[in-house]
Amino acid sequence: GENVEQHPSTLSVQEGDSAVIKCTYSDSASNYFPWYKQELGKRPQLIIDIRSNVGEKKDQRIAVTLNKTAKHFSLHITETQPEDSAVYFCAASRGNYGQNFVFGPGTRLSVLP
Amino acid sequence: SAVISQKPSRDICQRGTSLTIQCQVDSQVTMMFWYRQQPGQSLTLIATANQGSEATYESGFVIDKFPISRPNLTFSTLTVSNMSPEDSSIYLCSVRGSTEQYFGPGTRLTVT
Repeated sequence: GENVEQHPSTLSVQEGDSAVIKCTYSDSASNYFPWYKQELGKRPQLIIDIRSNVGEKKDQRIAVTLNKTAKHFSLHITETQPEDSAVYFCAASRGNYGQNFVFGPGTRLSVLP
Repeated sequence: SAVISQKPSRDICQRGTSLTIQCQVDSQVTMMFWYRQQPGQSLTLIATANQGSEATYESGFVIDKFPISRPNLTFSTLTVSNMSPEDSSIYLCSVRGSTEQYFGPGTRLTVT
């Protein structure tokens, strides 16, 4: 089955700096890769996703890149703000309806003012 | 996106008792998912709840411990049976859109 690894487990950056979180996956059939942000005491919220036919996707300060050959994908947050502080989870899925999402272990991001 | 509500939002239960968690969605969905998130951990799928058929459980989770009902396309329940302190977790229901997955607010369970 699919296995998703995520690094680093914790990340501290100064406000205004960039943050990068990396995930690797094992199942070459996976073709959908979402990123979720979970603030303390709240539900996970989808912030960006990418499909395997795309190499990069941007949404304002957030971007995701995908390297299918190497089976890894990364979340990039630029100009970080204190409200970006949260736990971020990557996931991988075959994208077919009903296929399970396998989540990475999470990265706790702290943006220091 | 789907709007998902859960009841209760939190509960403190005694060892050996059972708790039923309800999940309500504002639109009809074929598949609903139940996840467990232990403190400081990632999301682990417990089971997939299909309307009109038995739930499909992931490895390590059994129906006797986590019975699930799915009486219609907008509602599901998860029961945590014969609870022990190790069952203390957040339990989240989830539904799938075309590809996106949405989560309920979670039920924080503490077993004493």
